[in-house]
Amino acid sequence: DAKTTQPPSMDCAEGRAANLPCNHSTISGNEYVYWYRQIHSQGPQYIIHGLKNNETNEMASLIITEDRKSSTLILPHATLRDTAVYYCIVRVAKSRDVSWTSGSRLTFGEGTQLTVNP
Amino acid sequence: DGGITQSPKYLFRKEGQNVTLSCEQNLNHDAMYWYRQDPGQGLRLIYYSQIVNDFQKGDIAEGYSVSREKKESFPLTVTSAQKNPTAFYLCASSITRRDEQYFGPGTRLTVT
Repeated sequence: DAKTTQPPSMDCAEGRAANLPCNHSTISGNEYVYWYRQIHSQGPQYIIHGLKNNETNEMASLIITEDRKSSTLILPHATLRDTAVYYCIVRVAKSRDVSWTSGSRLTFGEGTQLTVNP
Repeated sequence: DGGITQSPKYLFRKEGQNVTLSCEQNLNHDAMYWYRQDPGQGLRLIYYSQIVNDFQKGDIAEGYSVSREKKESFPLTVTSAQKNPTAFYLCASSITRRDEQYFGPGTRLTVT
């Protein structure tokens, strides 16, 4: 699975958009970009994932560059409850795995600590 | 409501004792996972299981053991062979062939 690079920390004002970048310059053609977040002392929560098209759901939007070497997670109107560590993960979607014994492995790096300020 | 439960939330043990962490899910998910998280770090995969009675080692399986006798349950035993057992342990599950993993609330284990 490709390695990802994220800034260690970011700040955002409440009510403003939070834009979290992720570099994945070694991503291969069959690898997806996933985002999870972890609020302090809780289990991680799935946010969104995508392959090459931009994606949007009720939580966030995911913008992937045309060359797929980087992406941005956008929280359109950040709230104090969005303060968390955000993880960008790149991996082959399980349905495309050749080997089923590999499981649905997610390699979590250190992520970006997003702090939303009042 | 469907979800994943881990108990207890906090666990304290003396060094040299084995301890078993509980993980139960009622989501009817086939796959289950155990991760370990140390302060300020990301998650590391300990063991995972895709079906009942089958499981595979993750990246840091030494000093841990698991069982998967029922689809709903995937208990993790931290043995006395684990050199640094104090950590936050997270259990997760997913539908086979899907990648969204659903996490439990975690168990914080302290060994002194």
